[in-house]
Amino acid sequence: EPEVTQTPSHQVTQMGQEVILRCVPISNHLYFYWYRQILGQKVEFLVSFYNNEISEKSEIFDDQFSVERPDGSNFTLKIRSTKLEDSAMYFCASSQRKGGETQYFGPGTRLLVL
Amino acid sequence: AQSVAQPEDQVNVAEGNPLTVKCTYSVSGNPYLFWYVQYPNRGLQFLLKYITGDNLVKGSYGFEAEFNKSQTSFHLKKPSALVSDSALYFCAVRDSHDSGGYNKLIFGAGTRLAVHP
Repeated sequence: EPEVTQTPSHQVTQMGQEVILRCVPISNHLYFYWYRQILGQKVEFLVSFYNNEISEKSEIFDDQFSVERPDGSNFTLKIRSTKLEDSAMYFCASSQRKGGETQYFGPGTRLLVL
Repeated sequence: AQSVAQPEDQVNVAEGNPLTVKCTYSVSGNPYLFWYVQYPNRGLQFLLKYITGDNLVKGSYGFEAEFNKSQTSFHLKKPSALVSDSALYFCAVRDSHDSGGYNKLIFGAGTRLAVHP
């Protein structure tokens, strides 16, 4: 069964450093998303991406964040200058269509900013 | 504004007994409702969803959920719990009238299900 994959599974970085989180969505899916879950808190929407552009972003997704689909398979989330409060589990998801279509989530990348 | 409430932080149930994990929602239009399960150190796994049609939805691993429009609820149920069902369960909603968004899901805080032998 096709799955969303994410790398790395864990990343530790120093405050102020740039990090890139990588995702490979399910191959025939067209909509891509990033969510995050700070330890002990809700899963929060960050951004959705379709047709090579951001279709929606939350207030969390400020200028420090960017997303890119650099090739036909990868979908990346970049945090330019990490802050302590960026420490969280970051989930990538994809869906074939919008509306009531199911979003399938990857296993997540646990980011720790020191 | 869209929101989801899961009123119980934890639900404890004995193996073999029925279980219910509660979820209520608030949207301006018609809801698309989802249940996901998260096992330790794993991602979110899709269990089931309600889009339209029958109010009782059946999903993976013997789980089902009942959509109740008048009570704005979408409770997750299973007739006979297994120890292996112990995990964190998330309810999520998307507003069908959220035409400016492409599937943004709003999640509840999660409910930890503990099934005891």
